[in-house]
Amino acid sequence: EDKVVQSPLSLVVHEGDTVTLNCSYEVTNFRSLLWYKQEKKAPTFLFMLTSSGIEKKSGRLSSILDKKELFSILNITATQTGDSAVYLCAEIANTGNQFYFGTGTSLTVIP
Amino acid sequence: DVKVTQSSRYLVKRTGEKVFLECVQDMDHENMFWYRQDPGLGLRLIYFSYDVKMKEKGDIPEGYSVSREKKERFSLILESASTNQTSMYLCASNLDRNYGYTFGSGTRLTVV
Repeated sequence: EDKVVQSPLSLVVHEGDTVTLNCSYEVTNFRSLLWYKQEKKAPTFLFMLTSSGIEKKSGRLSSILDKKELFSILNITATQTGDSAVYLCAEIANTGNQFYFGTGTSLTVIP
Repeated sequence: DVKVTQSSRYLVKRTGEKVFLECVQDMDHENMFWYRQDPGLGLRLIYFSYDVKMKEKGDIPEGYSVSREKKERFSLILESASTNQTSMYLCASNLDRNYGYTFGSGTRLTVV
């Protein structure tokens, strides 16, 4: 079974800090990796990463994939209280249609 | 705006009851999935479906069944609810493996 490990499990930072969330994976026949943000309800899509070394960016959030070392990072700069959420990482192989999720990183941003 | 709708946000059921969780998507997606989410365990796949009347077991299918009679609807059935099935249940769909999931808003089920 494919495996996705996220670290840290939880993180508390002050507004304005920069955070880096980590996601490592073990997968046979890797296809892509996704990041989601989950507040009190359904996860919402952030990024899909397929190629190594190409940064995806959306506002203060950015993410990059390293297919050689089998990990991805999600960076959030100038954090705000609205960034408080659980951030989920998921990967999918070429041989299936289902994503495998990590346990998530719980981020709390305090004013 | 594309949507995955789960019929209930909160449910409380008694042990031994048969429970139906409904999920409807309006995006003409082929693939639909049921996950449960528990603290410290993340999202775990229960069942999924690639097509009408087709179903596949995920990682934790025991105690559950599913039904997909129409493309847009994927139902999760707890045949005889037990307290260890108290959880957040998330339905998701996608067109194919090139796309991420669209999730429903979740059903928080409590079995007492």
